[in-house]
Parts: sequence; C-alpha cells; structure tokens
Amino acid sequence: RKEVEQDPGPFNVPEGATVAFNCTYSNSASQSFFWYRQDCRKEPKLLMSVYSSGNEDGRFTAQLNRASQYISLLIRDSKLSDSATYLCVVTVGSTLGRLYFGRGTQLTVWP
Amino acid sequence: EPEVTQTPSHQVTQMGQEVILRCVPISNHLYFYWYRQILGQKVEFLVSFYNNEISEKSEIFDDQFSVERPDGSNFTLKIRSTKLEDSAMYFCASSDTQGTHNEQFFGPGTRLTVL
Repeated sequence: RKEVEQDPGPFNVPEGATVAFNCTYSNSASQSFFWYRQDCRKEPKLLMSVYSSGNEDGRFTAQLNRASQYISLLIRDSKLSDSATYLCVVTVGSTLGRLYFGRGTQLTVWP
Repeated sequence: EPEVTQTPSHQVTQMGQEVILRCVPISNHLYFYWYRQILGQKVEFLVSFYNNEISEKSEIFDDQFSVERPDGSNFTLKIRSTKLEDSAMYFCASSDTQGTHNEQFFGPGTRLTVL
C-alpha cells in the first residue's frame, strides 16, 4: 500500500507562473502533514507544515482536506530557485515520529 | 545555525562487508532517525531512536541493521553484511520533540555504493 501518492511530474513552468501540486494519503489516521523540498542529490528540507485551516508562507500556500485525504501546495510567482522536487510527507497517529514520504513532484522553473 | 552532520559523504564497499555510517545530530535534540533513499525512489524510514533505545523500526530494518549512540554526540547505523540492494543514500535526522508538526532536520546524507 502506498501511504502517500503524488504526481511525479515533471512540471516545467516559466518564471512568474503559478503552479499547484497535489498529494493524496491513504491512512485516515494520518495526523501531521508537511511539504518538504529536495534539491538534486541533497537532503530533504522542511518547506512548510500543513494545518487543517490551510496556511500561507509568502508565495507558498498549503491546503489540507481531511475528508478527501488530499493535500495541496500552491506556488505563486515562481522563481528559478524554486526548481526542486517537492515531497509530500505525513505522519500516522500511532507513530508520530516516523515520516512517510511521497515520491515527490519535480518542478523546473525556466527563465 | 545548528545542523546535522554525516560522515562519510560517500562510502564504497564490497558485498558482504560491514559498514558504519556516522551522524552527529543537533546537540539539544532527543529523537534520532535514519532514512534511506534508493536512487530515483522515495525516502523511506528505517528506524527511530530515543532515550538510548529503538522506538520504532520499519520492515526494511532487519537483523543486518543496528543503531547505536556510543557517546553523547554520535549516532551510528551499522550494516553487518551489505547487499547490492543496500546501495542508497542514507539520511540521518533529528528532532527536539516528537509531537504533531515536529520538524525533523536532515543531514546531508551518506551515499553508500555496494559492489
């Protein structure tokens, strides 16, 4: 069973574009939700946590729909430096420390 | 800014050999983790460690794997008899809590190549 599923992309967008990534999770006991970013051959880095009410951090907006078990990430005004793989990550209720990663969605922003 | 460090950055070994991957978590963190990422695949949880014992391990973490915190700063992953399929990037992570929305900080990884 795949705990977390994402569209692998790749997404290729011009600078300034708005791009949205989606993610679904299979376990209804999932408790915490995150978007991580991973540059090529580097470690994952936390981009933002995703809260039930949705949250925004500058150009990034994350949404959570628990009923549909769906998470989204919207990037506005894309920059070249946004090029990376975006990882959808969840924890499951009984094992809060363990992170379940999706395979990631690859984004390339071109000038 | 405090960070997780890992050594070596790249380890090449022969099948059947033992390897030890080393990590220095962030100094005030209490929870430690190992993950691995086979090339082109997702990041997978191996094990979590707290209070000098394993809190949880995945099905990947079989008898050939072990973890240890030999002193106050290092956290190691040992693979006793490496297989070709153990070739992957191994990431160490640490966090100061394990509650909801806790952030895990990842080290830069050790690339393990088994020949």
